[in-house]
Amino acid sequence: AQKITQTQPGMFVQEKEAVTLDCTYDTSDQSYGLFWYKQPSSGEMIFLIYQGSYDEQNATEGRYSLNFQKARKSANLVISASQLGDSAMYFCAMREDGATNKLIFGTGTLLAVQP
Amino acid sequence: EAQVTQNPRYLITVTGKKLTVTCSQNMNHEYMSWYRQDPGLGLRQIYYSMNVEVTDKGDVPEGYKVSRKEKRNFPLILESPSPNQTSLYFCASSLLFSSYEQYFGPGTRLTVT
Repeated sequence: AQKITQTQPGMFVQEKEAVTLDCTYDTSDQSYGLFWYKQPSSGEMIFLIYQGSYDEQNATEGRYSLNFQKARKSANLVISASQLGDSAMYFCAMREDGATNKLIFGTGTLLAVQP
Repeated sequence: EAQVTQNPRYLITVTGKKLTVTCSQNMNHEYMSWYRQDPGLGLRQIYYSMNVEVTDKGDVPEGYKVSRKEKRNFPLILESPSPNQTSLYFCASSLLFSSYEQYFGPGTRLTVT
C-alpha cells in the first residue's frame, strides 16, 4: 500500500538559512505524483510544489525546490532563505495515478523560523 | 476569483444532530473530494466524486454521506455525528480526476460534544 513518511515532527531554522524537510514514500506504481503543501496556523492548505515520477529534473518554485531521489524513494522539500512567514506545518503527499486521484498525506513537519 | 468555499468554517454540535457542511467551487471542476485532518494522522480521504452523480468512498467513509447533484457543489453530510468525527475537514477540487493540482477549501473545524 502507498505510504508517506515524514520523520521530523518539528524543526527549527534561523531566518535566512536553508532548511530541508524530509519525505520518503512507498509505492509499487511506476506513475505517481509527489506534492508538498503548507498549512499555516490559519488552517488552509497551500499547494507549494509538484514532482511527477517521470520528471527528470527536480521541481523548483521560487524558494522551494524538491530534491527527488527516485531510487531512494525520497522527495525532500528544500526551502532556501527562510522567512518568518515560512513558519507552518508542511505536508508531503503522493497521488495515486489511478481512478481515485486520492492524495495520501504524511503526518507533517512543523517548521518554526526563528529571527 | 477562482476558489473553493466551505460553510460553515466552524461548528460545534451535539452527538446525533444531523449536519451538512457545504462545499462549492467556481472553476467548473469535474473532480471533488473530502478529507479529514486529525493530529498525527495527516489528511485522509473520506469521499470523492469524479463528476455529477458519480461518487465513491475514500479511506474513511464510515459515518458520512455525500451527494453530487450539481457540478459545483459537493456537500458532506453527517447523519448522526459522534465525538470521533471531531476534526478539521477539507474539500478539494481539480479540473479532472487526472489533474495533478487540487485546490483546497479553507477548512471546516467541527467539534461534536
